[in-house]
Amino acid sequence: AQSVTQPDIHITVSEGASLELRCNYSYGATPYLFWYVQSPGQGLQLLLKYFSGDTLVQGIKGFEAEFKRSQSSFNLRKPSVHWSDAAEYFCAVEVPNQGGKLIFGQGTELSVKP
Amino acid sequence: ETGVTQSPTHLIKTRGQQVTLRCSSQSGHNTVSWYQQALGQGPQFIFQYYREEENGRGNFPPRFSGLQFPNYSSELNVNALELDDSALYLCASSPRAGRGVRSTDTQYFGPGTRLTVL
Repeated sequence: AQSVTQPDIHITVSEGASLELRCNYSYGATPYLFWYVQSPGQGLQLLLKYFSGDTLVQGIKGFEAEFKRSQSSFNLRKPSVHWSDAAEYFCAVEVPNQGGKLIFGQGTELSVKP
Repeated sequence: ETGVTQSPTHLIKTRGQQVTLRCSSQSGHNTVSWYQQALGQGPQFIFQYYREEENGRGNFPPRFSGLQFPNYSSELNVNALELDDSALYLCASSPRAGRGVRSTDTQYFGPGTRLTVL
């Protein structure tokens, strides 16, 4: 069965430092992969998505992610974190032939120190 | 262009009651998916509606049911509420070319309805 694992429940970084959030997936075919961000009391906002092609994808707010098939990973990165990036981040994989069902990881909560 | 909207924002019910949550999809989107997000968890897929018909269902009991209307807005109904139904309920809309067509179109999420069951 498909699954998504985000190993880090909570990460704290200093403002201006670089960030990497880990995501591993279990999937038998070419995955459609997503990163979403959720601020407190808000819905989910798409940061970026990967369907095919270039394995390094650029998203909004200065985020990027790299798809590594050999490692079944889709890690999210940002070179310099801003205080406004503090939020919950979710990695997700789309399951084909099931109505576009998204399977989400448990999420990583990001705190930013001044 | 308006985004995905959900109503109500918050809701408090007691165990055993029934609840209806509503979602208005983004203009031009024919597909609505519903997710349940328990506290501290990632969203879990409940079901999806494509052009007024159910198109995929997650591991939720039959007391979770839905509807999609000709204008593509949708309702989620939950009967016989249980304490564990307390969660944030999210809907997401997207345009799809067909029932079984894998789509690269983004699912846009609404702000959610916070349901508390006492």
